[in-house]
Amino acid sequence: GAGVSQSPRYKVTKRGQDVALRCDPISGHVSLYWYRQALGQGPEFLTYFNYEAQQDKSGLPNDRFSAERPEGSISTLTIQRTEQRDSAMYRCASSLGGDSLQFFGPGTRLTVL
Amino acid sequence: GEDVEQSLFLSVREGDSSVINCTYTDSSSTYLYWYKQEPGAGLQLLTYIFSNMDMKQDQRLTVLLNKKDKHLSLRIADTQTGDSAIYFCAESITGATNKLIFGTGTLLAVQP
Repeated sequence: GAGVSQSPRYKVTKRGQDVALRCDPISGHVSLYWYRQALGQGPEFLTYFNYEAQQDKSGLPNDRFSAERPEGSISTLTIQRTEQRDSAMYRCASSLGGDSLQFFGPGTRLTVL
Repeated sequence: GEDVEQSLFLSVREGDSSVINCTYTDSSSTYLYWYKQEPGAGLQLLTYIFSNMDMKQDQRLTVLLNKKDKHLSLRIADTQTGDSAIYFCAESITGATNKLIFGTGTLLAVQP
């Protein structure tokens, strides 16, 4: 596609529910990143994929957060048993390779009630 | 540790120059970036500079890097109302991941 796309753009859920956020990277980009951005803050790194391999998940805050990229293209970030503190903008970025420029999608605004 | 700091707010008049400053702590950064965030939009990559460069100019944008002081700045010449946004500086950490460490962002308000 022309750019990174994310869906849904907005997600409102109740505390305790699971959510799945989707990222569709730029075609041909092998590297994919997830970041989380709290209100008034800059994005913070969550996890990184090279093709389908999750090579760095050091930024995932706890084991309720997981991500996958089974075919090396689309990625899903899943948050289980959501809590109010999970409310944030979740941003996905892709790049041609691990040392290339990262291009961001529009983000998914998650609100946990 | 890794930390990137920016001033929170800058107000300028249309037509003036804007200078947004950033300091970072990781001396092993390979690239430093400026991203622009407009309301309701994603993060747009504005420009970047390799860590062995001092300056980079791209149309109205000038990036200055003082590696000794770990200080990065973005100068926008002839600032327009359309430049109003939040500007984030970011550094990439050397290593397999190339993850970005972002500052907290500077809100640029351009007064007509």
